[in-house]
Parts: sequence; structure tokens; C-alpha cells
Amino acid sequence: DAGITQSPRHKVTETGTPVTLRCHQTENHRYMYWYRQDPGHGLRLIHYSYGVKDTDKGEVSDGYSVSRSKTEDFLLTLESATSSQTSVYFCAISDVAGGRKNIQYFGAGTRLSVL
Amino acid sequence: SQQGEEDPQALSIQEGENATMNCSYKTSINNLQWYRQNSGRGLVHLILIRSNEREKHSGRLRVTLDTSKKSSSLLITASRAADTASYFCATDEMIQGAQKLVFGQGTRLTINP
Repeated sequence: DAGITQSPRHKVTETGTPVTLRCHQTENHRYMYWYRQDPGHGLRLIHYSYGVKDTDKGEVSDGYSVSRSKTEDFLLTLESATSSQTSVYFCAISDVAGGRKNIQYFGAGTRLSVL
Repeated sequence: SQQGEEDPQALSIQEGENATMNCSYKTSINNLQWYRQNSGRGLVHLILIRSNEREKHSGRLRVTLDTSKKSSSLLITASRAADTASYFCATDEMIQGAQKLVFGQGTRLTINP
């Protein structure tokens, strides 16, 4: 999975608890992304980062926050988890955003269940 | 927003047959990509075709792009059991002033031995 490690791989939590998912890369790629994957919706972008401390919202950012204090780490936080956030979360990285070659490399995913 | 829409949603064929998946999109693009996802794994990039290209090959994969119809197809020839996976097209789209990939819902391909 292209030097990308997501942790944890599986998590079960209760509604209302905070949850942090971690994405760690060893590729020194500038851009990092968090997606969620749900049946019937494909992959949807939650947040992305275009550099250390530079982040922006994606398509489905409500209820999520992110932080990137180092090039290699991108954290996704659910401040107060809800059942609608039960999903599989993928981190992706790329070296070039948009334009000609935004090829993205994905981690193995984190399966999150909110009860 | 969902830029790419794959068709069919599911496809089941016999090993050795060819598999064709289609993708339609809505707005103009710079390029279109296809990704594969094996069960329980992340997506893996397969091939990228630029908007000024009509056809591209990579091994047993053949991708076509018709910008006038805003559609693309992925052909896998001489399918193998290991090709069983979900396949996604992805197009670039401007979202909030930045260009990002937007993925379709995918085609689930099953190769029967």
C-alpha cells in the first residue's frame, strides 16, 4: 500500500465519543486526503491537505476535523462520533494535485463502527 | 457531487472472457483514471488517460475515452480469477477552488473459474 499506514485498522466506538484516525506516509508526498467509502456512495472526500498545517474541506466535512503537523502524518478526528459516521475510511496521498496527473495512492483503510 | 458513474454496477463472467465497464461523467476533464479495489483493501491506480487521448493500453487493460459523449470504458481481456475486484473511474473536478479527484460508485467484477 505504497508506504501508507492507517491506524487503527478497525475500531468500534460509542456514539458521542471522540475518535482519531491516523495516516502515516513514508513517501514524502505533499498532498494527503481522507475519504469515506459507503455502499451506494462510492468514495467521498472528507478533508485534504496541501502541506504542513494547510488543510481544506472536501465534500462531506461536517462532523470531521483534520490536522497535519508533519509532512508524514495526517489525522482525522471525529469530535463526537455519530452512527452516520460508521464507514470505511481511506487515506490517500499524491505528489501532484489536479491538472495533469493527480494519481493517488491509498492506504488499506480503517473500518469504523459507531454504536 | 458524483462526477463519474460506472455501468454496470456488477458484472459476473467466466474466466478467459473479456470484461467491459463503462464510466460516464458530467463536466469537462483534464484526465480520467481507473482504479481497482480488492476486497478489504485500498484502491490501486490502474491507468490514466488524458483528455486529448482516445485510447490507451496497459497489459490486458484497454481504456477508451470519448470526450464528446463524456464517457470512458475499461476493457480487461482474457480475464483471470485475480481480476475479481471493484473498479472505479475517477475524474478531476474543481471543488472549492481546488482540483480534486471525484470517484464513481464502482463496478463489482466477479470472475468465475
